[in-house]
Amino acid sequence: GAGVSQSPRYKVAKRGQDVALRCDPISGHVSLFWYQQALGQGPEFLTYFQNEAQLDKSGLPSDRFFAERPEGSVSTLKIQRTQQEDSAVYLCASFSHSGNTIYFGEGSWLTVV
Amino acid sequence: AQKITQTQPGMFVQEKEAVTLDCTYDTSDQSYGLFWYKQPSSGEMIFLIYQGSYDEQNATEGRYSLNFQKARKSANLVISASQLGDSAMYFCAMREGTNAGKSTFGDGTTLTVKP
Repeated sequence: GAGVSQSPRYKVAKRGQDVALRCDPISGHVSLFWYQQALGQGPEFLTYFQNEAQLDKSGLPSDRFFAERPEGSVSTLKIQRTQQEDSAVYLCASFSHSGNTIYFGEGSWLTVV
Repeated sequence: AQKITQTQPGMFVQEKEAVTLDCTYDTSDQSYGLFWYKQPSSGEMIFLIYQGSYDEQNATEGRYSLNFQKARKSANLVISASQLGDSAMYFCAMREGTNAGKSTFGDGTTLTVKP
């Protein structure tokens, strides 16, 4: 597809369950970002990849959060032992460095019950 | 630390009229960039307009313009000739340094366009 694709779109997890959220960026985009957006708030930065290298993970809220992009394209955000406070929309974005336009996916809506 | 403040949780505008959404920011960086995004109920964050801190002209993109007042640290979004499809959440954001994708976002303004 032409845009950033995220899956699943909706995920309900029981507390303590592990989840994996996938992001397929725009083809050729070197940079990929993950953001967390709690209900009624703006997105907050989680982590950043340039190709397969994770250059910044300063926004990951705990060691239960882990992200990877092993081949420099698709990325996975994994959350272990989910807690209720992890309920949020997880947005992925990619960027081509040829302009200032950042392209976001529609997000993965995670609800932890 | 960078901070974005959007003081209007909700705004209403009549169709075909103009509306201004407020954004103030705080940073100690000399070089920074400011963005506005639209987020409809589907959840996707749609890029609208960008203003660099060294840009002398206010940015414009179609019906969107950014009223950049550097001394006041404000970057208000002006939407002219509002349309029903403009109803959405609007976020102001600021990039950190030269990394365009790493941004600090405000809490957003919900815009409702009335027919």
